[in-house]
Amino acid sequence: QVQLQESGPGLVKSSETLSLTCTVSGGSISGNYWSWIRQPPGKGLEWIGNIYYSGSTNYNPALKSRVTMSVDTSKNQFSLSLNSVTAADTAVYYCARLGRGRLLDYWGQGTLVTVSS
Amino acid sequence: QSALTQPASVSGSPGQSITISCTGTSGDIGGYNYVSWYQQHPGKAPKLMIYDVSDRPSGVSNRFSGAKSDNTASLTISGLQAEDEADYFCSSYTSSSTLVFGGGTKLTVL
Repeated sequence: QVQLQESGPGLVKSSETLSLTCTVSGGSISGNYWSWIRQPPGKGLEWIGNIYYSGSTNYNPALKSRVTMSVDTSKNQFSLSLNSVTAADTAVYYCARLGRGRLLDYWGQGTLVTVSS
Repeated sequence: QSALTQPASVSGSPGQSITISCTGTSGDIGGYNYVSWYQQHPGKAPKLMIYDVSDRPSGVSNRFSGAKSDNTASLTISGLQAEDEADYFCSSYTSSSTLVFGGGTKLTVL
């Protein structure tokens, strides 16, 4: 059973960079696509982007200028970096496996990141 | 990319059936049979309930079914149970090789 766990600071200052890591267990990161999704408090889901185990990426056009994703196959981890954050970036951030390149079949529990001024 | 359109809320009584719609464009729902539906209980991560329009992952009740017509997908839950009360989100693969979600629908079991 594939399990995912997000980790990273729960509080980030405005204009700084949000950095999160997702650790995959119970399966290999190789051969799969991996995603980041976020959910502002009380609101809906927003897809942030995908990364293939080889490192190729695809980002939400609305966030593309501020997002970078990377993968470390030796640690079975992938990461998210979002720069120049504002209060609008406050959300629960989820990592997930993107099965077959199009369905999110395994999710982490999510981590709340609050952007403070 | 614009979010897919879902009703904000639906409700039904135990035992009844409800349907949630999800409307997109020819660049997402209409162009691919890659619509998924997710269930989210408060404070929990979303759970995949339907993928590829109408397929169910192992372990998901057959009370959940999906369909698509043109640019609109739908999720039907039959034999409503109290445990079905949750938020439901649709998503679709797009022509830009991205994913787009719907705004979510809150299901209330009366």
